[in-house]
Amino acid sequence: KAGVTQTPRYLIKTRGQQVTLSCSPISGHRSVSWYQQTPGQGLQFLFEYFSETQRNKGNFPGRFSGRQFSNSRSEMNVSTLELGDSALYLCASSLVTKSEKLFFGSGTQLSVL
Amino acid sequence: DAKTTQPTSMDCAEGRAANLPCNHSTISGNEYVYWYRQIHSQGPQYIIHGLKNNETNEMASLIITEDRKSSTLILPHATLRDTAVYYCIVRAPGMRFGAGTRLTVKP
Repeated sequence: KAGVTQTPRYLIKTRGQQVTLSCSPISGHRSVSWYQQTPGQGLQFLFEYFSETQRNKGNFPGRFSGRQFSNSRSEMNVSTLELGDSALYLCASSLVTKSEKLFFGSGTQLSVL
Repeated sequence: DAKTTQPTSMDCAEGRAANLPCNHSTISGNEYVYWYRQIHSQGPQYIIHGLKNNETNEMASLIITEDRKSSTLILPHATLRDTAVYYCIVRAPGMRFGAGTRLTVKP
C-alpha cells in the first residue's frame, strides 16, 4: 500500500506570491491533517479535513487555507507569502477523524525569499 | 488542552533500554496518550498509544501510571537507528506536538 504522498518535495517562492501544496493520503484514509514545522516553533497543527469538511483548525492566519476533494486528496494554499512561512509542511492521513494513528508524508520544504 | 512535559534530551547506550518519560498531569479521563518519533528530515512516525493500561507492540512498550498523570515509553534494546526526536502527545482536536525529547543512541 502506498504511503502518504506530498508534492512537490521542494519549493522556492518569493514574498507576496501564493503557493499550493498537494497531499494524497493512503488509500482508504478519509482524514487529512496539515502541520507546519519550523526550527523555532516545532510542529504546529494547521487544520484537519474529513469528508471534504474542515473539522479542526489551528491558530494560523487566514492566509493559510485548505480543502479536501471527494477522493480524500487535499491541498493547502498559502497566499501573500511572508519570509516566516518558510517551513516544512507535513501532511498526515488517518482512517477516520480523531484516529489514533496518523501516517505522515515526507513533507514539502517551502523556502520564501 | 492537556499539556505534556518531556526532557529536552537524553542519551542511551546501544543495546540498552531507553526509557523516555512524559508528564501529562492535566489529562482528561478519556484522553489517550500517543507517542510518535521523528527522524531527521522525515515525517513523524507513530509508535504506540494507550489509555490506562500498559501497552506493548513490536516497536516499544508504554507504561502509564495509575493516576494517568505520567507515562514512560520504553525502547527495550535501543539501536543507532532509534536516534530521533520522540513526542508524547495527548489527543486534542489536532495532535499538538510539543518540543519532544531528542534521544541519542550512542555506540
